[in-house]
Amino acid sequence: DIRMTQSPASLSASLGETVNIECLASEDIYSDLAWYQQKPGKSPQLLIYNANSLQNGVPSRFSGSGSGTQYSLKINSLQSEDVATYFCQQYNNYYTFGAGTKLELK
Amino acid sequence: EVQLVESGGGLVQPGRSLKLSCVASGFTFNNYWMTWIRQAPGKGLEWVASITNTGGSTYYPDSVKGRFTISRDNAKSTLYLQMNSLRSEDTATYYCTRGAAGGGNYFDYWGQGVMVTVSS
Repeated sequence: DIRMTQSPASLSASLGETVNIECLASEDIYSDLAWYQQKPGKSPQLLIYNANSLQNGVPSRFSGSGSGTQYSLKINSLQSEDVATYFCQQYNNYYTFGAGTKLELK
Repeated sequence: EVQLVESGGGLVQPGRSLKLSCVASGFTFNNYWMTWIRQAPGKGLEWVASITNTGGSTYYPDSVKGRFTISRDNAKSTLYLQMNSLRSEDTATYYCTRGAAGGGNYFDYWGQGVMVTVSS
């Protein structure tokens, strides 16, 4: 099974800041990686797929990068509505998720 | 508008069975793989089961293999999850999801989720 190690587990940032969340796969997943945002009490929503492709309707302040085993999600100019938990997911070999990063406002 | 609406959750005793349903609308159901994902209270996301667009193949992680069965009725645009021999660790919110671009990859639409509580 492919393990996804996500960091940090929690993050506190100020409005307007840039935030980075990392995801490390236990083996090469060939950019088969997605990022999701889950707001409290809501279902997850797809943000990024294929490591760096922005899902329709997602603000351009969100971006993804990486290759091989290392991937990251970047949020530019943090907004209040970005407070949420973020999950990475690999789909190279079935499906596994990172443990999540809880993003709060400072 | 794509909609996925789950139902069938509730409180069930350990060892008993429960069947979840997910009615899909707003897209051509029989063109898409479908997947169940679950989330234990306060925890992360876990893949539970996937099924190809025709229903001809199904996939499970070891944690539910042999106890859970995913199925679909394309004429009714409905996805199912039959859960047998339930355990306390199966307690979670279960989400019905659509495989993006028709295939088994990432999940572009999620239902609102249905809660399953396994407890005596």
